[in-house]
Amino acid sequence: GENVEQHPSTLSVQEGDSAVIKCTYSDSASNYFPWYKQELGKGPQLIIDIRSNVGEKKDQRIAVTLNKTAKHFSLHITETQPEDSAVYFCAASNKRGGADGLTFGKGTHLIIQP
Amino acid sequence: KAGVTQTPRYLIKTRGQQVTLSCSPISGHRSVSWYQQTPGQGLQFLFEYFSETQRNKGNFPGRFSGRQFSNSRSEMNVSTLELGDSALYLCASSLVAGGEETQYFGPGTRLLVL
Repeated sequence: GENVEQHPSTLSVQEGDSAVIKCTYSDSASNYFPWYKQELGKGPQLIIDIRSNVGEKKDQRIAVTLNKTAKHFSLHITETQPEDSAVYFCAASNKRGGADGLTFGKGTHLIIQP
Repeated sequence: KAGVTQTPRYLIKTRGQQVTLSCSPISGHRSVSWYQQTPGQGLQFLFEYFSETQRNKGNFPGRFSGRQFSNSRSEMNVSTLELGDSALYLCASSLVAGGEETQYFGPGTRLLVL
């Protein structure tokens, strides 16, 4: 089955700096890669996703890049703010080109230092 | 639109008991997936239901089961509870648009098994 590795497990950055979280996946058939943000006591919130037919997607301060050849994808957050502090999860899926049966990374605890 | 709702939010049970958790998807979403989240194993896929049929299943023992009703609401049941079943159980509903599927999570039910 699919295996997703996520690094780093903890990331501390100064407010205003950029943060990058990286994930690798094992199944070359995977074609959908979402990123979720989870705050304490809440469920994961979808922040951005990318499908295998594109290499990059951007939404304001958040961007995701996908390298299918190397089987890795990354989350980039620019101009970080205190409210960006949370646990971030990457995931991958190869089910029907859709989002069910997501395989998640172990998460990255992002800490924004004031 | 209201988000995914899960009830109850917190639950305490003892070993050997059984438990039923409920999930109401976002209006118009017909697919519901369940995940287990623990500190050690992270987020793991349990199963997915679409139009009252189980469409995909993760690698969990038969003590974990689910069902979906005609209004898309879903329940999951865990029988003969074990200490290791203590976890946050998350439900996600999926929207299919343009042939692409996106998953949105509820706040979860935190289950503690004593």
